[in-house]
Amino acid sequence: SYVLTQPPSVSVAPGQTARITCGGDNVGGKSLHWYQQRPGQAPILVVFDDFHRPSGIPERFSGSNSGNTATLTISRVEAGDEADYYCQVSDDSSEVVFGGGTKLTVL
Amino acid sequence: QITLKESGPTLVKPTQTLTLTCTVSGFSVSASGMGVGWIRQPPGKALEWLALIYWDDEKHYSPSLRSRLTINKDTSENQVVLRMTNMDPVDTATYYCAHRRGYGGTLYDYWGQGMLVIVSS
Repeated sequence: SYVLTQPPSVSVAPGQTARITCGGDNVGGKSLHWYQQRPGQAPILVVFDDFHRPSGIPERFSGSNSGNTATLTISRVEAGDEADYYCQVSDDSSEVVFGGGTKLTVL
Repeated sequence: QITLKESGPTLVKPTQTLTLTCTVSGFSVSASGMGVGWIRQPPGKALEWLALIYWDDEKHYSPSLRSRLTINKDTSENQVVLRMTNMDPVDTATYYCAHRRGYGGTLYDYWGQGMLVIVSS
């Protein structure tokens, strides 16, 4: 089955830029989505179809997807961005795969 | 406004069957294009997709859990029900139901609050 690989953790100082990667075989050929999950809460969608933002998600959140790596970029990181982030793809049969998650720590 | 809420037992014994209900509002589970999925998350671990049911009763299951899962919908109650047989302590997790967007590839744009299910004797 398809595998998405994320770094377990990323740390960044407030105001800096965080980049969280998601690797997979030709992941650039798939639609990739990103979820944010704060402690004790359900995930929320922050980027969909590689680089689109749902309504209400700040412009500081952006995405890209090419080749074997997708990237979630969070600019001007704030303390409130501290959370776990998951990437996700689906195949033509609607089966869903999540990455292992990345814990973003704001120093 | 789309909302989803999970309900069911918080404690089940090993070998028992778990039945979880997802009650939705703001959309009809039988409306064209609609889909509802189940995702779980063991404590401290990653999200794991379980199953998805569409408005037309098309169903999809995680390959690794297919033999233990059944997903159905109750259109009169606007609910989706997930059954998982032969529960084991490793199935202890928070179980979420979520709304699948109505077009394109699968993503989940609205989630329930989740409910923790503990498997223990």
